Formats: sequence, structure tokens, C-alpha cells
Amino acid sequence: QSVLTQPPSASGTPGQRVTISCSGGTSNIERNPVSWYQQLPGTAPKLLIYLNNQRPSGVPDRMSGSKSGTSASLAISGLQSGDEADYYCASWDDSLNVWVFGGGTKLTVL
Amino acid sequence: EVQLVESGGGLVQPGGSLRLSCAVSGFTLMSYEMNWVRQAPGKGLEWVSYISHTGSTIYYADSVKGRFTISRDNAKNSLYLQMNSLRAEDTALYYCARQGGPSEYPLSYDYWGQGTLVTVSS
Repeated sequence: QSVLTQPPSASGTPGQRVTISCSGGTSNIERNPVSWYQQLPGTAPKLLIYLNNQRPSGVPDRMSGSKSGTSASLAISGLQSGDEADYYCASWDDSLNVWVFGGGTKLTVL
Repeated sequence: EVQLVESGGGLVQPGGSLRLSCAVSGFTLMSYEMNWVRQAPGKGLEWVSYISHTGSTIYYADSVKGRFTISRDNAKNSLYLQMNSLRAEDTALYYCARQGGPSEYPLSYDYWGQGTLVTVSS
């Protein structure tokens, strides 16, 4: 069982906006930044969001992140078929001195 | 161009050992913290181990503590993971991942390798 909790699945139709949640605790999400990763089928994960809400160069502004307390969220607007992937949140846990990941959310574009 | 290339995976019997390597190029290894992250078949990402720039600070997941050893050779631009007493549950694709620098993408994994598959089975 993962330290960070994500819904196992999410879905939306093209053009819609979907949100993926990530729930943690004081020692990880509340005190440390959250990052998000997109893993397309058969490929390595790719950094999508860092420092809770910052996008690396090349990531479209359709992707956005937010954090409040012990929870974080990834929002994808203008959903496209190419967004079908697994999405993971991650954070450092400063009580355990470990990196923690969410269990991943499989996004389906209907 | 930043590249991370893992090698050393393969089929090993329970109780056996393997040494994974991650050869990096396109950046100066000594400037970055590094990690190993694994993914069992059909499962999610699981962090395995962290090593600081010089190797002075190291952390492990409880699931591998006492069995795995992370190390680095900055002069050879390489990261390593020595895996001993392997178990079936260690079967996974093992990725090396770079932590972004403080002026780049801090506290996140900004580059990943393509992974090397470790299968533990008799």
C-alpha cells in the first residue's frame, strides 16, 4: 500500500477537464513539495509538475498542479487522446527519510 | 543531451545477487543527487534508494534495507545498485533517476533512464 493515496482510475472525454488527487500526510505533502509524473504505455516516467505547481519547459499549460495542506491535485484541461497514461504523485517524507509515491492513476480518454 | 542508461539486469535465482549500473552522459554526475526507482510488472512506481552528490548521505526503502547497496563513481559518470539476497518480490524494471538541481527542477526527478529488468525466479 502506497504512502500517498491516488484514485486508481480517472476518465474524461476529449476537451474535458479532469482532476487527479493525491492524499498524504504532514511529513510528506504538507511539509515538502509535490511532483507529478506521466508514464505513457511502455515508456519511462516523465516529469510533469515540480514544486507543487511548476511546469518544466515543454509541458503544456493544459497541465497544472496545486497543493493544500496534506493533499495535492493534478488538473488536465482540454483533454486529448494522447493524455492517456498513468499519472503518479511523489514527495519526500522527512520523518522517514524516504521518497514516497502515489499508487498511480490510470487516465482514460473516452 | 542528458542520457541515463541502465544495464546489468537479468534472470537470477532467489537468494542470488546482481549489480546494476547506470551510465550517465550530457551532464556532470557529481552535481546531482541520484536515485533508483523500480516498477514491478503491471504495478506502480516504488522508490528504492537515494544517494547524495558525494555519496556521503544514503537512504533506502525498508523493503531493500540491508540487502541493497547504492554507490556512485563520479569520475566514471556511473551510478550503481548492488542487490543481494534477491527475492521474487524484487522482480521489477529498475530505473535510475536524476534529482533536479536547485536552480532547475528541485525535489523532483527530472530525467529517467529506460530501465533494466530484473527477474528473480527459480
